[in-house]
Amino acid sequence: EAGVAQSPRYKIIEKRQSVAFWCNPISGHATLYWYQQILGQGPKLLIQFQNNGVVDDSQLPKDRFSAERLKGVDSTLKIQPAKLEDSAVYLCASSRDRVRETQYFGPGTRLLVL
Amino acid sequence: DQQVKQNSPSLSVQEGRISILNCDYTNSMFDYFLWYKKYPAEGPTFLISISSIKDKNEDGRFTVFLNKSAKHLSLHIVPSQPGDSAVYFCAASARDYKLSFGAGTTVTVRA
Repeated sequence: EAGVAQSPRYKIIEKRQSVAFWCNPISGHATLYWYQQILGQGPKLLIQFQNNGVVDDSQLPKDRFSAERLKGVDSTLKIQPAKLEDSAVYLCASSRDRVRETQYFGPGTRLLVL
Repeated sequence: DQQVKQNSPSLSVQEGRISILNCDYTNSMFDYFLWYKKYPAEGPTFLISISSIKDKNEDGRFTVFLNKSAKHLSLHIVPSQPGDSAVYFCAASARDYKLSFGAGTTVTVRA
């Protein structure tokens, strides 16, 4: 079974530029998560999708971050415009359902904002 | 606010000995706890979990202990092996199933 795929793996941009990350979850997984992991901290949930609907986006900075999950499969996370404090690893995870199911993480996208 | 705390950023242990990782939480609504393991340049992978109705769960060399009154859990790895060198994250969730993670503990197993 293929794991969670993410691209790009690394991205360097200047502040005020925009950037997008892509995630392909494990086939058949209904729930998809985006996490932000700042250096020295644990992952923090940004947004959670159940199929193509948003379940929780309470910690997503909506003035600059947006996310969508087309057709309940792939998902993109966008930052526009980026700030220095957005430098982090962005992790995508998926699970079969949201009820106590194991979350499987992708390798992450490491973003550096200069 | 940090609801899950791992106060030891790093742990060094000799191969074959026991590794003990600690985790404290503040939210009394948490009823499900997990440990994830992370290698460099990879995403976290699920290791072991425990429900609040239990105080111990064992899976091979890994055992998680939960002390609800102290809001404390620990992960024991016996015996420690070189492949166990990684970052270990403690995580917890309540009925909303949202995971809150600790900052992680880096384990180094010395030969």
